[in-house]
Amino acid sequence: EAQVTQNPRYLITVTGKKLTVTCSQNMNHEYMSWYRQDPGLGLRQIYYSMNVEVTDKGDVPEGYKVSRKEKRNFPLILESPSPNQTSLYFCASSYRGTNTGELFFGEGSRLTVL
Amino acid sequence: AQKVTQAQTEISVVEKEDVTLDCVYETRDTTYYLFWYKQPPSGELVFLIRRNSFDEQNEISGRYSWNFQKSTSSFNFTITASQVVDSAVYFCAYSGYSTLTFGKGTMLLVSP
Repeated sequence: EAQVTQNPRYLITVTGKKLTVTCSQNMNHEYMSWYRQDPGLGLRQIYYSMNVEVTDKGDVPEGYKVSRKEKRNFPLILESPSPNQTSLYFCASSYRGTNTGELFFGEGSRLTVL
Repeated sequence: AQKVTQAQTEISVVEKEDVTLDCVYETRDTTYYLFWYKQPPSGELVFLIRRNSFDEQNEISGRYSWNFQKSTSSFNFTITASQVVDSAVYFCAYSGYSTLTFGKGTMLLVSP
């Protein structure tokens, strides 16, 4: 089954404790992206990757890091989480770019930073 | 920069009413794509439709229909004979090549 898998789905952590949200897709997609969703703000792009070893900042990259060492994986790293990073995070992938077809989303990861 | 505006924050209707969700976008690009996604209470994002800037034909899929008007930069979504299961947040989104810009969403509440 074609899917984008995120882990963990739910996480409560404390300020400053490094964490990684993993994202994996099994569709051999070149493009992957991370979004955060906050009430009243919709979804905002954090980082995206057009292919392996190629990453670019989205609209809200501060406080986040990503890497794309393999085509299927695109982890989101919070080196020192802060309460303003409490949010619902979505990973997404598509064949190539955002205009080549449907963007497939993971189920979301709800992160709470205390 | 591209911008997507969904002016309706929340809409409440009674089952079987028709409802239209508005989406207006701003861009200087000539080639672009527009999307609608549904986010039910369970939280996942469900793809509904993708439309490119060269195709202004309206589209109908069951009770759903979309009206794309380039002249007014609008891509509106109509649900005919709404049902309780249509209750969700609906997002309109604009795509260039590498980014997908979302509107802030419209929460639709359909009551029995």
